[in-house]
This record gives sequence, C-alpha cells and structure tokens, in this order.
Amino acid sequence: NAGVTQTPKFRVLKTGQSMTLLCAQDMNHEYMYWYRQDPGMGLRLIHYSVGEGTTAKGEVPDGYNVSRLKKQNFLLGLESAAPSQTSVYFCASGGAGGETQYFGPGTRLLVL
Amino acid sequence: AQRVTQPEKLLSVFKGAPVELKCNYSYSGSPELFWYVQYSRQRLQLLLRHISRESIKGFTADLNKGETSFHLKKPFAQEEDSAMYYCAPLLRAGSYQLTFGKGTKLSVIP
Repeated sequence: NAGVTQTPKFRVLKTGQSMTLLCAQDMNHEYMYWYRQDPGMGLRLIHYSVGEGTTAKGEVPDGYNVSRLKKQNFLLGLESAAPSQTSVYFCASGGAGGETQYFGPGTRLLVL
Repeated sequence: AQRVTQPEKLLSVFKGAPVELKCNYSYSGSPELFWYVQYSRQRLQLLLRHISRESIKGFTADLNKGETSFHLKKPFAQEEDSAMYYCAPLLRAGSYQLTFGKGTKLSVIP
C-alpha cells in the first residue's frame, strides 16, 4: 500500500517548456487535489477532482490544466512553464465526505 | 470568504517549555478543523482532527466557536516537534477543500 505517489520528484524546465506531473493513489479515494507550496504562502489549491472524469478550479488555476481519466490518477499539466511556477507541488487524495486528506511526497519544479 | 490566520510565522521555544500555536478562522457554517504537520523535507501529514478529539504526539487543540479559534497546544515541547504546522479548516460540502493557513514554523531549542 504505497498511499499517494508523485512523479517526478524534481524537474528543471526552461521558460516555455511543457511538462506533466503525475499523482497516483491506491486508497480508492474519490477526491484528489493539486496544491502548490511557496515560502510564506502556505499551500494553495490549484485544481481538484471529485471523481473520475471530473475536474474543477481551485484558488490559483491559471497556467495549469488537469485530467482525471482514471480514478487512481490525477495529472497536472503545465503547457508553457513560467518562472512564477517555480514551486513545490503536492498532490493529495481523500475519501468522500471530508475524510482526512493524504499527501504525496511533493515535486520540486524549477523554471528557469 | 473563508479565511484562516496563523499570526506567528516563527515560534521558538526551549525544550520542555509549553507550546501554543495560534489559529483563527473566518468561516461560514461549522467547519471541521485540522492541523497538519510537515517535518523537514517530508510530506504533510495529519496531526490532529477536531472531530476525533485525539491527542497525537502530546498535542491537543480545542475549538472555541466564540473566538473562532483552534489553537494547538503541547505542555512540554520536544526537539522532534520542530516542524511547520498548518491549520486547515475543511469546507464541508461539494469539494471538501482544505483551506490552509500560511503556517507556523516551530523551532524547539535544545
């Protein structure tokens, strides 16, 4: 039982490049979330999903897209990376009804 | 709009001293409240959930609806308590989103 996993762990991009971050969970959770963590800002919600095939915007969605084609996976895409997207990205999953959210180990992204 | 405030960015205490990490929230309805902890270079993990009333690693938190506060307390700080602590109310309906405070870094001095 791996919980929530994220790939890659670390990535360096040049401005304008694209990439996809993968989040996978094996707890059969309905809800999945993508956050970014920046110094002094705490965690801010980018996008979330309340079930397979559904996605919705969070607090800071601009510049990101997401997809939830399978219940266990939640992908975060950056179509054209910008230096402002340098951050640590955390994925989380939770059961229906507001159960505890479980977090992945994070992905450190540096955009030059 | 829902808002959560952790007034201290950094809190330093000596080992064995009491700890109180403050959290105030502005929320419609009756939110459920959580404390998450992040040790150095690790993922966030649940420390405390209001509804369960559990005491984890010696920490407790009391919900004060009148003051809209959910302060985290521990009577005797340990060095291994050094970490970032986040207060997070949960939106009960729809997305069940957590709204995180900006966090308080607790440093326990040996």
